Amino acid sequence: RKEVEQDPGPFNVPEGATVAFNCTYSNSASQSFFWYRQDCRKEPKLLMSVYSSGNEDGRFTAQLNRASQYISLLIRDSKLSDSATYLCVVNNAGGTSYGKLTFGQGTILTVHP
Amino acid sequence: GAVVSQHPSRVICKSGTSVKIECRSLDFQATTMFWYRQFPKQSLMLMATSNEGSKATYEQGVEKDKFLINHASLTLSTLTVTSAHPEDSSFYICSARSRLAGGYNEQFFGPGTRLTVL
Repeated sequence: RKEVEQDPGPFNVPEGATVAFNCTYSNSASQSFFWYRQDCRKEPKLLMSVYSSGNEDGRFTAQLNRASQYISLLIRDSKLSDSATYLCVVNNAGGTSYGKLTFGQGTILTVHP
Repeated sequence: GAVVSQHPSRVICKSGTSVKIECRSLDFQATTMFWYRQFPKQSLMLMATSNEGSKATYEQGVEKDKFLINHASLTLSTLTVTSAHPEDSSFYICSARSRLAGGYNEQFFGPGTRLTVL
């Protein structure tokens, strides 16, 4: 089983749509959770951290359910510029794994006019 | 945010040659640098963790003698792919973690190096 699993998509949505991505992780000791965005042939860039209480940044809302080991990202009012691959990322706990980021395979989003 | 550079951005080489990739943190000191590899349509896979002044820690399945990592200063780490073969063709990305006390220190990613081995 992969440590971080995502639905690879692709998701093709019209501008203005709301789209949700899901992610599950297997290591219950994981400490921190993130969504990164990666454009084609570019490096990943941090989109937002994910907190247990849920957090929002403009059109983006992230949720974490530690009991279910489940993370989600909701994008409202999609823009063409949101087209990218969205990576679910987990930061492991202490010991030799401390600070290591584990990436999901990514979910491809294409927003069309 | 902090800036991490990588050089070269793209390299094409013949099979059997060695390729060195540099990763620099430009405006902060990095206690730790990470090297990732990404094959087409796959996610980033951590290859090794590099701490300044000590030997790198390699992930399972990554050959330390093939992928030489040197982290000589708090702003520079290098990855050398020795005797490169076509199957080593990939997108190599480094990240650097800042030297801040406590909590989770964000990793800042370099722009990546695309290696093509003919």
